[in-house]
Amino acid sequence: SAVISQKPSRDICQRGTSLTIQCQVDSQVTMMFWYRQQPGQSLTLIATANQGSEATYESGFVIDKFPISRPNLTFSTLTVSNMSPEDSSIYLCSACTGTGVTETQYFGPGTRLLVL
Amino acid sequence: AQKITQTQPGMFVQEKEAVTLDCTYDTSDPSYGLFWYKQPSSGEMIFLIYQGSYDQQNATEGRYSLNFQKARKSANLVISASQLGDSAMYFCAMRGRNFGNEKLTFGTGTRLTIIP
Repeated sequence: SAVISQKPSRDICQRGTSLTIQCQVDSQVTMMFWYRQQPGQSLTLIATANQGSEATYESGFVIDKFPISRPNLTFSTLTVSNMSPEDSSIYLCSACTGTGVTETQYFGPGTRLLVL
Repeated sequence: AQKITQTQPGMFVQEKEAVTLDCTYDTSDPSYGLFWYKQPSSGEMIFLIYQGSYDQQNATEGRYSLNFQKARKSANLVISASQLGDSAMYFCAMRGRNFGNEKLTFGTGTRLTIIP
């Protein structure tokens, strides 16, 4: 299993500013992901955080808006840049562990972001 | 492309009864994994159970079991002896194995309410 922590747990920000969310996993993992969950919605993948290379972004998400770093196998950051009220969401970090029958994807507790 | 369908937006179940949450999927990958998550009002995503597409037996974890019917492309979650603490959103998700499909795709979720 993996324990994932995120900081901050919640924040209220002014439009036009940026927020960096940190994600720490208690063990080395190959794949880390960032998801967004807008109010009342399901989870949408923003990007796959690749260690040592640029993140792989999903359609509709761009690096200028959501820059991601992954300096090692246990840590990643997501920045929400030039925020607008539409960015108000829960942002979740996720990581894969195990293979086959032991395969699991765990999530951090999420960061609740409110943009005013 | 991968798709997960959860057709029950909400369910009400009497405490101690068993409940089945429906999930159907579509994928072109010959090998894939299916997941169920619970999201209580606190917002965290709690991993419940995993089923691999080549697993011979249905997965079970305590009160949770996955009714996997590969030919019908369904992966229903069964919760036995429901408890008040089971009230939450439940998400079905899948991940393929082929390049480009290694990301977790979520359904829209089912809100389960357990009635005392």
